[in-house]
Amino acid sequence: ILNVEQSPQSLHVQEGDSTNFTCSFPSSNFYALHWYRWETAKSPEALFVMTLNGDEKKKGRISATLNTKEGYSYLYIKGSQPEDSATYLCAFKRGATNKLIFGTGTLLAVQP
Amino acid sequence: ETGVTQSPTHLIKTRGQQVTLRCSSQSGHNTVSWYQQALGQGPQFIFQYYREEENGRGNFPPRFSGLQFPNYSSELNVNALELDDSALYLCASSLGVHANTGELFFGEGSRLTVL
Repeated sequence: ILNVEQSPQSLHVQEGDSTNFTCSFPSSNFYALHWYRWETAKSPEALFVMTLNGDEKKKGRISATLNTKEGYSYLYIKGSQPEDSATYLCAFKRGATNKLIFGTGTLLAVQP
Repeated sequence: ETGVTQSPTHLIKTRGQQVTLRCSSQSGHNTVSWYQQALGQGPQFIFQYYREEENGRGNFPPRFSGLQFPNYSSELNVNALELDDSALYLCASSLGVHANTGELFFGEGSRLTVL
């Protein structure tokens, strides 16, 4: 059974706080790791697709790291803003398959 | 906006009925994947279509079926609806078969309630 686990399940922070989430996935036969941001009543939107061990990617105040040997990825948000409030999903792709295995997400609420 | 549109946005059915959900992929994308998100879970892969052929299937029974048309739009059909089929159904398009080469572009989903 392939499981992708995300923690924490939910997070409430104040505007300006920095925060991070964890995504754990099977370390064998790794192919790619995706991060998506999903705002309420909208569609999930891709943040990063990461494929190489040690990858670090950044988009504005959001960044992500990848460790394929130990099977985890971190997503960091620096100086959280209310518009960052969303569910953050990670998804793992195993070699020789064409499906993404999603975690249950981390729900972030940023209060002004 | 991803350019992926799904219809209907909400619908209510009763047990035993059949439902068809539709998806228009982003322009130029030849691959469509369908996911089911039940309450409290992450999206679960149902199947993928590439150039009008099913190209991979998740752990869903045969009463879940699909089609992809020459313009790459797609349908998800579910027969003999069960209460547990109540969920948000997400369609995602991509360019190429393998999701690792690029992100998925999702629609906003179709919320199905089975009574």
